[in-house]
Amino acid sequence: EPEVTQTPSHQVTQMGQEVILRCVPISNHLYFYWYRQILGQKVEFLVSFYNNEISEKSEIFDDQFSVERPDGSNFTLKIRSTKLEDSAMYFCASSEVLAGVTQYFGPGTRLTVL
Amino acid sequence: QQQVKQSPQSLIVQKGGIPIINCAYENTAFDYFPWYQQFPGKGPALLIAIRPDVSEKKEGRFTISFNKSAKQFSLHIMDSQPGDSATYFCAARTETSGSRLTFGEGTQLTVNP
Repeated sequence: EPEVTQTPSHQVTQMGQEVILRCVPISNHLYFYWYRQILGQKVEFLVSFYNNEISEKSEIFDDQFSVERPDGSNFTLKIRSTKLEDSAMYFCASSEVLAGVTQYFGPGTRLTVL
Repeated sequence: QQQVKQSPQSLIVQKGGIPIINCAYENTAFDYFPWYQQFPGKGPALLIAIRPDVSEKKEGRFTISFNKSAKQFSLHIMDSQPGDSATYFCAARTETSGSRLTFGEGTQLTVNP
């Protein structure tokens, strides 16, 4: 069964450093998403991406965040200057179409900012 | 108004019991209500979903009950098994918000043998 994959599984970084989280969505999917889950809290939407541009973003997704689809398979989330409060589990998801269908989630990348 | 409130935070049942997890929402524009199951170290996986034009949907041992007037929906797990032990999230989405899923806080379910 096709699945979303994410690398690395755990990333440790120093405050102020840039990190790039990588995702490989399911191959025939067209819509891509990033969510995050701070430990013990709910899963929160960050951004959705379609046709090489952002479809929607949340208030969390400020100027320090960016997303990119650098090639035909990868989808990345970059955090330019990490803060302590960026420590969270980051989930990538993908779906075939936008409206009302399953978003398939990857296993997540645990980001720890020291 | 975008929030989805989920309860209880944790739930312990015996094998064969019927755990019930409840969610409530305020935004009447929500039109799609999925439940996700998450095992430790894994991402959320869609379990079952419902739209507000039906009051109940059943898939295997999992049933969603939906009360549009009360703006509440719940997940029932029939004949629960230890393998059902996981964290369950309800979520909601609107057409106008496009792709954004708004999640509840999650319920950690433990099914004892």
